[in-house]
Amino acid sequence: GNSVTQMEGPVTLSEEAFLTINCTYTATGYPSLFWYVQYPGEGLQLLLKATKADDKGSNKGFEATYRKETTSFHLEKGSVQVSDSAVYFCALKDAGGTSYGKLTFGQGTILTVHP
Amino acid sequence: DAMVIQNPRYQVTQFGKPVTLSCSQTLNHNVMYWYQQKSSQAPKLLFHYYDKDFNNEADTPDNFQSRRPNTSFCFLDIRSPGLGDAAMYLCATSSSPPTGGNEAFFGQGTRLTVV
Repeated sequence: GNSVTQMEGPVTLSEEAFLTINCTYTATGYPSLFWYVQYPGEGLQLLLKATKADDKGSNKGFEATYRKETTSFHLEKGSVQVSDSAVYFCALKDAGGTSYGKLTFGQGTILTVHP
Repeated sequence: DAMVIQNPRYQVTQFGKPVTLSCSQTLNHNVMYWYQQKSSQAPKLLFHYYDKDFNNEADTPDNFQSRRPNTSFCFLDIRSPGLGDAAMYLCATSSSPPTGGNEAFFGQGTRLTVV
């Protein structure tokens, strides 16, 4: 079955530091890949997505590139802010029509940014 | 403007007492999902509706049921909540087809406490 593995957390950074959160996946075919962010006590918000190999998703200074050869979708940001503190989930959506858009999530990475 | 609304945000129920969580959407999406997220874990799909067609995940306990009386509303019923059912319950929607890059929109979640 499908699976997503994220780097172990938590991650603690100082403001303006560079961020990388690793994500690798196992899936058949060509899944779509997503990063979701969850702020304390809130639901999930889509941060960015990529639907095919070599696509780069970007939003709010965050970027991730769909690498099929390494089955990876690592999240990066050049300069984090305190407001980026949240839990980040990598997820995949099966390309198959029978999955009805089911998302398979990684375990989440807690990011804390200090001033 | 909220597009997927879950009520209540916080719900406390007694062990074994039936409880219902609700979700409404203004997006007119065909597909609605219920995910369970236990503390510090990844969200896990319980079931989904594609229009009126109900699809249960194989490992969803019988204690969990769902109703979708119309396109806008979906309910999660827990017939006899146990302590292990304490979690955040996330409702999400997606347009048709739900595969590929179509985004899933999440509500803010209902945090269920069982006492």
